[in-house]
Amino acid sequence: GIQVEQSPPDLILQEGANSTLRCNFSDSVNNLQWFHQNPWGQLINLFYIPSGTKQNGRLSATTVATERYSLLYISSSQTTDSGVYFCAVNDKIIFGKGTRLHILP
Amino acid sequence: NAGVTQTPKFRVLKTGQSMTLLCAQDMNHEYMYWYRQDPGMGLRLIHYSVGEGTTAKGEVPDGYNVSRLKKQNFLLGLESAAPSQTSVYFCASSHRLGDGYTFGSGTRLTVV
Repeated sequence: GIQVEQSPPDLILQEGANSTLRCNFSDSVNNLQWFHQNPWGQLINLFYIPSGTKQNGRLSATTVATERYSLLYISSSQTTDSGVYFCAVNDKIIFGKGTRLHILP
Repeated sequence: NAGVTQTPKFRVLKTGQSMTLLCAQDMNHEYMYWYRQDPGMGLRLIHYSVGEGTTAKGEVPDGYNVSRLKKQNFLLGLESAAPSQTSVYFCASSHRLGDGYTFGSGTRLTVV
């Protein structure tokens, strides 16, 4: 079956820094979604992005389906960005194992 | 607009007890999913449903049963709970396969 790998597994940054999270998938996909799981465990939808680039405030995402990866950019990190970020390949119903992000004040 | 509602939010079971987790959605979504989340393992699919009256196995179905008697509800049952089923359980729904997921807030289950 399809493999979904996220990198890095853990990331610690100072407040104000920028970061790039990556999601690689081993087969062609039709749909991909990024989630943020906050420290209280809630899964919050960030982007539904089968291809192309989307932006929402300090966050943006790019999916290059032909090269089998998606990137999530976080600019000017804030402590509230801490948590785990998951990518999900919706049409295969598979999640990556996540990137744990910790933003230091 | 409630979205996806999971009940209960917390539960402690003794080994061998049974229980049912309820997931309800009010978005008229066809697809519903049950995931479990364990430390370092991400979210793993237990069972899913592609419509009323249908269910299918996911990656980790053993020890669980599900039912989708009504389109808006997806039930996850544990017939004889084991400590290995201690986890956080999430329900999600989507309009079609491949559409964006909407998640419930989760159920934290501890089996002692």
